[in-house]
Amino acid sequence: DADVTQTPRNRITKTGKRIMLECSQTKGHDRMYWYRQDPGLGLRLIYYSFDVKDINKGEISDGYSVSRQAQAKFSLSLESAIPNQTALYFCATSPAGSTDTQYFGPGTRLTVL
Amino acid sequence: QQQVKQSPQSLIVQKGGISIINCAYENTAFDYFPWYQQFPGKGPALLIAIRPDVSEKKEGRFTISFNKSAKQFSLHIMDSQPGDSATYFCAAITSGTYKYIFGTGTRLKVLA
Repeated sequence: DADVTQTPRNRITKTGKRIMLECSQTKGHDRMYWYRQDPGLGLRLIYYSFDVKDINKGEISDGYSVSRQAQAKFSLSLESAIPNQTALYFCATSPAGSTDTQYFGPGTRLTVL
Repeated sequence: QQQVKQSPQSLIVQKGGISIINCAYENTAFDYFPWYQQFPGKGPALLIAIRPDVSEKKEGRFTISFNKSAKQFSLHIMDSQPGDSATYFCAAITSGTYKYIFGTGTRLKVLA
C-alpha cells in the first residue's frame, strides 16, 4: 500500500553503526507505530506516537530511538546496531480516535553483521 | 496475561480445502480481534475482524468464529486457493488503547 512508505527496503550494516529507518504516510493519520517482526515471535511494538509531540516506548524500545519530524514522518534509529537487531521492521499508522485498524508499510529488512 | 497464543505455526492445505487457524487469549479486557494477512515482501493488511458481541463473522470465504467463554477465536478459510498462501496473524486489542497484541503467525501454503 503506497499510502505508507518505508525507506530503505533492505539494508545491510555492521555492528556498531548508526542507522535510520524512515517512514512516510499520506493517509493523514495522526498515530504512527514502529514494529519489529522476527520469525516465530510475531510483531512487537518498539515505539508509538499519537502526534508530533507525543512519543512513547513500546515493549522492546531498548537500543532504539525515534523522531517524529512531522505528522507524516516517523523515523526509527538504531544508535549502535548489534546482530540481534537483525529483523524486519514495519511502520504502521492509524487514525486519531481509533487504534482498531492499523495500516502497515511494506517493511525494511535489516541485517546487522 | 497479555499473550495471544496462535496455532499452528505452519499449515499446508490442498486447493479447495478448509484452512483453520486458532488463537487463544487471557486478557478479558480485549474487545477487538482482527486477523491480518501478510504476503512475502509486504506488510500485514487487515483481513477480517470481530468484536465479542457476536460469535461469528463471515466475509466471502473468510470466517471468524469467536468463543468468549473459552477465550478463543479462529479463522476459517473455505475453498482455500493458492492465492491465499500467506502468513496470517491474529491479534487482540482493547479499544481506545494503543497496543495490539499479535499472535506469532501461521504460514499457510495452499497446494494447487
